[in-house]
Amino acid sequence: ETGVTQSPTHLIKTRGQQVTLRCSSQSGHNTVSWYQQALGQGPQFIFQYYREEENGRGNFPPRFSGLQFPNYSSELNVNALELDDSALYLCASSTLRLAGGSRETHEQFFGPGTRLTVL
Amino acid sequence: EDQVTQSPEALRLQEGESSSLNCSYTVSGLRGLFWYRQDPGKGPEFLFTLYSAGEEKEKERLKATLTKKESFLHITAPKPEDSATYLCAVGGYSGTYKYIFGTGTRLKVLA
Repeated sequence: ETGVTQSPTHLIKTRGQQVTLRCSSQSGHNTVSWYQQALGQGPQFIFQYYREEENGRGNFPPRFSGLQFPNYSSELNVNALELDDSALYLCASSTLRLAGGSRETHEQFFGPGTRLTVL
Repeated sequence: EDQVTQSPEALRLQEGESSSLNCSYTVSGLRGLFWYRQDPGKGPEFLFTLYSAGEEKEKERLKATLTKKESFLHITAPKPEDSATYLCAVGGYSGTYKYIFGTGTRLKVLA
């Protein structure tokens, strides 16, 4: 197990509602990323936070927003839910650091995910 | 355009029958190529990171290699417990960070 936890495990919402998903990073990690995974597809990158600042974002609209807290835990907020938002939402933590010779490391360790169903 | 393509989509092997999975990629500002294993209903499990062409990594029955355009995950003498979806991803940087995953290869190893 990675030590990355997510809550809740499952969630059912109706179209138009708002949802907040939570993630607790692995101890010592300073970077958190969020992904959306539809059935049978690979994870789609939503955004990444490094030391509480967003430092990367995929092709998702502004109604997908996030926060990273000083203890490196994180939230994903989705406003105005749409039916297509139904998916597995994955959180991944990592340590973005320079490892000798300015090489960054990006290994990401995933949590179990939150299954969101929008009706 | 940043893209990751994995082949085949699905693969059935007999126990002990070695094979390779392919991942071809294009990304600006490559920051690493990653292999993950994902079991049904679970989050991806990290396997390997490769940073530069010619690099190789091994773990038990798995070996990952990298060229400038593609990566291979070689599975030697697989066992039924190797059955899973294998995901390839690249990290890139062009002012901000980005991570692009392929759709995966579903591997089934028959006893």
